[in-house]
Amino acid sequence: NAGVTQTPKFRVLKTGQSMTLLCAQDMNHEYMYWYRQDPGMGLRLIHYSVGEGTTAKGEVPDGYNVSRLKKQNFLLGLESAAPSQTSVYFCASNAGSGHTYEQYFGPGTRLTVT
Amino acid sequence: RKEVEQDPGPFNVPEGATVAFNCTYSNSASQSFFWYRQDCRKEPKLLMSVYSSGNEDGRFTAQLNRASQYISLLIRDSKLSDSATYLCVVNPSNTGGFKTIFGAGTRLFVKA
Repeated sequence: NAGVTQTPKFRVLKTGQSMTLLCAQDMNHEYMYWYRQDPGMGLRLIHYSVGEGTTAKGEVPDGYNVSRLKKQNFLLGLESAAPSQTSVYFCASNAGSGHTYEQYFGPGTRLTVT
Repeated sequence: RKEVEQDPGPFNVPEGATVAFNCTYSNSASQSFFWYRQDCRKEPKLLMSVYSSGNEDGRFTAQLNRASQYISLLIRDSKLSDSATYLCVVNPSNTGGFKTIFGAGTRLFVKA
């Protein structure tokens, strides 16, 4: 039982490049989330999903897209990276409505955009 | 006003000290409250949930004051291993737990 995994762990992009961050969970969780964490800002929700095939915008969705084609995977895409997207990205999951609200986090992806 | 506010610290305390963190939230309809711990360059992990009646887990005590809209975390007999950032987390409404607001965190350094 690996919990929540994220790939890659580190990445450096040039402005304008694109990339996809992959999040996978093996806990059969319904809800999945993508956050970014910047110094002094706390975790901010980018997008989330309450089930396979569904996605919704969070607090800071601009410049990102997501897909949840399979229940266990949640992908975060950056179509045209900007320096303002330099951050640590965390994926999380939880069991969903009627269950504990505890969120389980992946180890994070450290992204630098130059 | 931020939805969830914490004193960023850092709090520098000696081993064995008692330290308390407070967190305020703006949405009076908030239903669920938590404290997470985040070690340097690691992911956040649940430390404890916060119940209306207050709850204790070993050296850690969490309390909720709905009238004043704040939650607190008390750490007794601090250990070096308690050094971390403590995140206050609030679910603004009882909607299945997907809308979670994280505070920016309070940093704690415990020194020998």
